[in-house]
Amino acid sequence: NAGVTQTPKFRILKIGQSMTLQCTQDMNHNYMYWYRQDPGMGLKLIYYSVGAGITDKGEVPNGYNVSRSTTEDFPLRLELAAPSQTSVYFCASSSQGKNTEAFFGQGTRLTVV
Amino acid sequence: AQKITQTQPGMFVQEKEAVTLDCTYDTSDQSYGLFWYKQPSSGEMIFLIYQGSYDEQNATEGRYSLNFQKARKSANLVISASQLGDSAMYFCAMSSNAGNMLTFGGGTRLMVKP
Repeated sequence: NAGVTQTPKFRILKIGQSMTLQCTQDMNHNYMYWYRQDPGMGLKLIYYSVGAGITDKGEVPNGYNVSRSTTEDFPLRLELAAPSQTSVYFCASSSQGKNTEAFFGQGTRLTVV
Repeated sequence: AQKITQTQPGMFVQEKEAVTLDCTYDTSDQSYGLFWYKQPSSGEMIFLIYQGSYDEQNATEGRYSLNFQKARKSANLVISASQLGDSAMYFCAMSSNAGNMLTFGGGTRLMVKP
C-alpha cells in the first residue's frame, strides 16, 4: 500500500539547472495533480491530469512542464530553475468521482540557489 | 474563481478542550466540495473530513466535525477533546464543479497546550 510516492525528498539546484520530480501512484487513480507550497502558505495548483495523455494548467504553471504517459506516473519538469521555484512540491491523486479526497505524496523540498 | 479564506493564522487551545477553526469560501459553482487537511511538522498532508455542497447533514469523523453553513459560505472545522498530537497546520480547501482540483486557504496553525 504505497499510495503516492515522490522522489527525491530533498534537492538543491543551481539557477538555470533542470530537473524532473517523479511521482507515481498505485491506486489506479485517473486524476493526478502537482501543487507547490511556499513557506507559511497554502498549496497552489501547478498542473493536473484527468487521465493518461491529458494534462492541463493550474494556477501557477509558468516554469514547469508535465507529461502523463501512463496512469501511474506524472512527472514534473523544471527546465531553467529560478530562486522563485524554491518551494515544497506535492504530488496528489484522486479517483474519478467528483469531490473525492486527494491522496498526497510526502513532498519534495526544492531549494534553488 | 474560487477563494478560500482562513482568518486565524495561529490559535492556542488547552488539551482536552474543543476548538473551532474558521473557513469561509467564495464560489459561483452550485456543486462543490469542502475539505480539511492536517499538516503536521513532518510535512505530509493528511485528509480529515469532507462536506459536499448538497449534503444536508454536517460531516463528522471521530473527533472532527464540519460546521457547514451554506448561506454564510462557511465550513468551520471543530475538533473536540484536543490532544497534543493535534498541534499542526490545518488547511481548508474546496473542489469545483469542474473537477477535483483543490483551492486551498492559507492555513491555521493550531497549538495544543498541556
